[in-house]
Parts: sequence; C-alpha cells; structure tokens
Amino acid sequence: SQKIEQNSEALNIQEGKTATLTCNYTNYSPAYLQWYRQDPGRGPVFLLLIRENEKEKRKERLKVTFDTTLKQSLFHITASQPADSATYLCALDPSSSNTGKLIFGQGTTLQVKP
Amino acid sequence: DVKVTQSSRYLVKRTGEKVFLECVQDMDHENMFWYRQDPGLGLRLIYFSYDVKMKEKGDIPEGYSVSREKKERFSLILESASTNQTSMYLCASSSGSIQETQYFGPGTRLLVL
Repeated sequence: SQKIEQNSEALNIQEGKTATLTCNYTNYSPAYLQWYRQDPGRGPVFLLLIRENEKEKRKERLKVTFDTTLKQSLFHITASQPADSATYLCALDPSSSNTGKLIFGQGTTLQVKP
Repeated sequence: DVKVTQSSRYLVKRTGEKVFLECVQDMDHENMFWYRQDPGLGLRLIYFSYDVKMKEKGDIPEGYSVSREKKERFSLILESASTNQTSMYLCASSSGSIQETQYFGPGTRLLVL
C-alpha cells in the first residue's frame, strides 16, 4: 500500500543544535516533495519544495534533502531556536498526472528548549 | 500575500444539523481543497475542485458535499452532522501550475454534540 510516514514521536532538542526530521514514503514516485510548518490551531505554511532531480535545497537555516532511491527526505534546521518549535509536515503529489493534489504525512512535532 | 479565509474559527453544532463551512481565496487560484485534521491521522483530503463547478472526491468524501459556484469560493457542506465529524477543517488553494504549493486558511474547529 502507499504510505508517507514521519516520526510520530516529538523531537526535543536544545537551542542551537541541528534538528533533523525524516519523511519516508513507499509505493510513490513523486516528482517533488514539499515541507510545511504548522503552529497549534493554525493552518500549515509552506516552507520548501524539492524536486526529484535535486539532491538538496537550502533556505536560510533550513535544508532539505531528497533521496529517491531510499524514498526519503530529510529536513534540517540548523542553529535551532525556540521559535522553531512547531509541527512539520511533508507532502507529495501521489499521482503521476500532477493534479496538484497532495498527500501529507502526519507531521513531527519539534520542541526546541532554551 | 495570498489570503485564504474561512468563515468561522470555531463552530458548535448539534447532531443532524446541516453545516456550511465557507472558504474564500483572493489570489485567483484554480484549485481549492478541503481537508480535515485529526490527532494521529494527519491531514486527510475530503474534496477538491480544480475549476468552477468542478469537484472531485478526495480520500474521505462520505458525509460531505461541496459547492464551487465562483472561482474564489469553495464551500464544504455536512448534510447531517454527526459526532464523528468533530474535527479541525482546513481549506487550501493553489494555482493551476504543476508543483504549486498550497496556501491554507486558519482552520475551523467544529464540535458536533
């Protein structure tokens, strides 16, 4: 069956450290993968998109990698801050016809302690 | 800035009531989506629309219907609300381009008693 999985356990790290979140998928061949941030009681906000032919993408303190062989994306936040505490969702287009539909992972909650 | 607004942040309804959730976007986006989000289950797609008067079922359409009479507005209708429809409902929009990101509204937390 098709699945997109993120670590459901919360990730607790100390301020200043690098947070690494994982997104694994099975039985999809997505052309791209997206990462979103969601704060409690709010809608998700887009962060980064990485295409299948890109190994790595950076935006300020954020870095995303995409390994289509492993069927995995890693999301890194360097020099983490308490304000980075949120739930992070990965998403991919499940169909080869690029309809614009996305399937979301359950999200990983990150807690950065000062 | 893209803005997606939802008609209510919080809503309390009784079992059997007909419920309307409205979503409006101001960026002339082609695609609009309705999701529900529940703890442990993540975001699940209920319906989406890629044009006015067009709609397609998502993964969990049972008990819901939608309406898109104007490009900027996408309504989710619960014909007869049930307690298992208590959830956070999120609307999103995206342009018609491939690989476009989705822009979400603030969500409506619906409680069905």
